[in-house]
Amino acid sequence: QKEVEQDPGPLSVPEGAIVSLNCTYSNSAFQYFMWYRQYSRKGPELLMYTYSSGNKEDGRFTAQVDKSSKYISLFIRDSQPSDSATYLCAMKDYGGSQGNLIFGKGTKLSVKP
Amino acid sequence: DVKVTQSSRYLVKRTGEKVFLECVQDMDHENMFWYRQDPGLGLRLIYFSYDVKMKEKGDIPEGYSVSREKKERFSLILESASTNQTSMYLCASSPGRIQETQYFGPGTRLLVL
Repeated sequence: QKEVEQDPGPLSVPEGAIVSLNCTYSNSAFQYFMWYRQYSRKGPELLMYTYSSGNKEDGRFTAQVDKSSKYISLFIRDSQPSDSATYLCAMKDYGGSQGNLIFGKGTKLSVKP
Repeated sequence: DVKVTQSSRYLVKRTGEKVFLECVQDMDHENMFWYRQDPGLGLRLIYFSYDVKMKEKGDIPEGYSVSREKKERFSLILESASTNQTSMYLCASSPGRIQETQYFGPGTRLLVL
């Protein structure tokens, strides 16, 4: 079983839709959870960062962590064509190889005008 | 703003050539990383470094070496480029042990003919 599973998509939604992106993981020691956005032919940029369980909101984006289910989500409200990108989840445990993140393979999102 | 820069956006090399990819970060980060990204395989860690002159192998170090002579600069070296090293190469840096967030450069698209 891979450590982090992420549906590659592609996911296509109309403008204004609520988007839900998800990752599951197997290592219960993961404590730090991140979402990166990567536009075509660019490097990933950090979108959201959460520590342990709970929700975090930033504008139209909400990151949710459910450690009991080993499941993290990124919700995008009122999606825009500019949100079209690949979204990568990443996570790490506290005591593991320092600085190393475990990445999902990414979900490609397309928001149609 | 954290800035990670990579020496080239696009590079075309011939099989057998020695290739140098350079990465510079301007935020005094302790950790630096080199990944390659391929369709369907996601991000794969090649090498990382926690300090000047320190280096650690990642998941796929074969065919690569690295150099970190100064804190801000991390170089990836392909000793003898092969066609299966055609890929997108991404450099990242992170502040230190506690903060796990990685910041990425724009990437270098390498084509080996």
